[in-house]
Amino acid sequence: SQKIEQNSEALNIQEGKTATLTCNYTNYSPAYLQWYRQDPGRGPVFLLLIRENEKEKRKERLKVTFDTTLKQSLFHITASQPADSATYLCALRTGFQKLVFGTGTRLLVSP
Amino acid sequence: DTEVTQTPKHLVMGMTNKKSLKCEQHMGHRAMYWYKQKAKKPPELMFVYSYEKLSINESVPSRFSPECPNSSLLNLHLHALQPEDSALYLCASRGDRVNEQFFGPGTRLTVL
Repeated sequence: SQKIEQNSEALNIQEGKTATLTCNYTNYSPAYLQWYRQDPGRGPVFLLLIRENEKEKRKERLKVTFDTTLKQSLFHITASQPADSATYLCALRTGFQKLVFGTGTRLLVSP
Repeated sequence: DTEVTQTPKHLVMGMTNKKSLKCEQHMGHRAMYWYKQKAKKPPELMFVYSYEKLSINESVPSRFSPECPNSSLLNLHLHALQPEDSALYLCASRGDRVNEQFFGPGTRLTVL
């Protein structure tokens, strides 16, 4: 069956450290993978997209890697801040117009 | 304007009621989406409209009826819902030349 799983329900880290979130998928061959941030009671907000032929993408304090052999993406937030606390969702394009979301990881950054 | 708006923000309805959710965007996006999100779960795709035509229906029960009156508007008509339909309903849009989806703030629906 097709699955998109993200590591642990919640991740607690100290301010200033690097947060690393994992997205693993099975039985998909996505052309690209996206990461979104979602705050409680709000809609997801797009952060980064990485294509199947790209190994790494960066945007400010964010870095995403994509390993199509391992079927895994890693999402890093460096120098994390309490304002980074949110749920982070990976999403795979699984067909024309279709995006499927992972289970999500709730990140809590403590001062 | 890079915003997707949704009304109402909250909706409480009985199982015999008929209500509608509304979504609007003025970014010129021709793909619009409805998602359903239960607490602590990811958004689940319900419907996709492309150029005002329904292109994807993810086997959604007929008590949910989508409508796309024009390229800026998307409605979701609700009738005879069940308590398990209570959720956050999210609308999103996507442009032709971009891959990311822009989400609205959602409508929190409670069915009594």
